Amino acid sequence: AQKVTQAQTEISVVEKEDVTLDCVYETRDTTYYLFWYKQPPSGELVFLIRRNSFDEQNEISGRYSWNFQKSTSSFNFTITASQVVDSAVYFCALSGNTNAGKSTFGDGTTLTVKP
Amino acid sequence: DTAVSQTPKYLVTQMGNDKSIKCEQNLGHDTMYWYKQDSKKFLKIMFSYNNKELIINETVPNRFSPKSPDKAHLNLHINSLELGDSAVYFCASSHPDSAPEAFFGQGTRLTVV
Repeated sequence: AQKVTQAQTEISVVEKEDVTLDCVYETRDTTYYLFWYKQPPSGELVFLIRRNSFDEQNEISGRYSWNFQKSTSSFNFTITASQVVDSAVYFCALSGNTNAGKSTFGDGTTLTVKP
Repeated sequence: DTAVSQTPKYLVTQMGNDKSIKCEQNLGHDTMYWYKQDSKKFLKIMFSYNNKELIINETVPNRFSPKSPDKAHLNLHINSLELGDSAVYFCASSHPDSAPEAFFGQGTRLTVV
C-alpha cells in the first residue's frame, strides 16, 4: 500500500517569508516517483516537479526548491520569498512501478500568502 | 493547444439523472485517468485506462462507467446521480514508463441538486 502524508493542512505567511511544505511517504515499491502539484484558486492542477527514487539530488527552480531524502521518506518543498500568487493548495503525490501509473495524493496543504 | 481537455466545465443536474463528461488528450499518452476531488479537496483516483483497456477500478459504484473509444479519449458516464456525487472530476493522462507525471484537464464541477 502507498501513503502520502502532508501533515500541514493550512499555512499562512506574509509575503517575502520563506515557507516549507512537508511531505512524508510510504511505499514498498523499489522504484517510485514523487511529485508536487499546485492547485491555485482557479482550480486547475498544475504539475511542478517529478523525482524518481534513484535521484536524491535536490532541485532548485527559481524561488522553488525541493529536498528529497530517502532516509526519512520525505520530499519537502520550499518556497523562498513567497508571493501572493503562490497562494494555492499544494499536493504531494507518489507513483510506484507496480501500480500502472496510479498516483496516490496527499490531502494537500493550503498555503495563503498575505500581502 | 490544450493538452487535456474535458467538457463540460460545469454541470448542474437533478438527482436521478444520467450525465456524461468527455475527456480528450493530445499528448500521445497511453494512459488516462479519472480522479474525483471532494469538497475537502481530497483527490482520489477512480479509474485508469491504458490503451483503451481498464487497468484500475478503485471500488467506484457501478453507476460510474468509463468508456475509452480510443487511447486519446476517456469519457465518464454516471447513471442515477446522487447528491453525494457532487464533486470536481478531473481527467488526466500520463506515460507511466517515461513520464509518469499526470497532466490534468481543467476539471468538471458537478453539482447534483
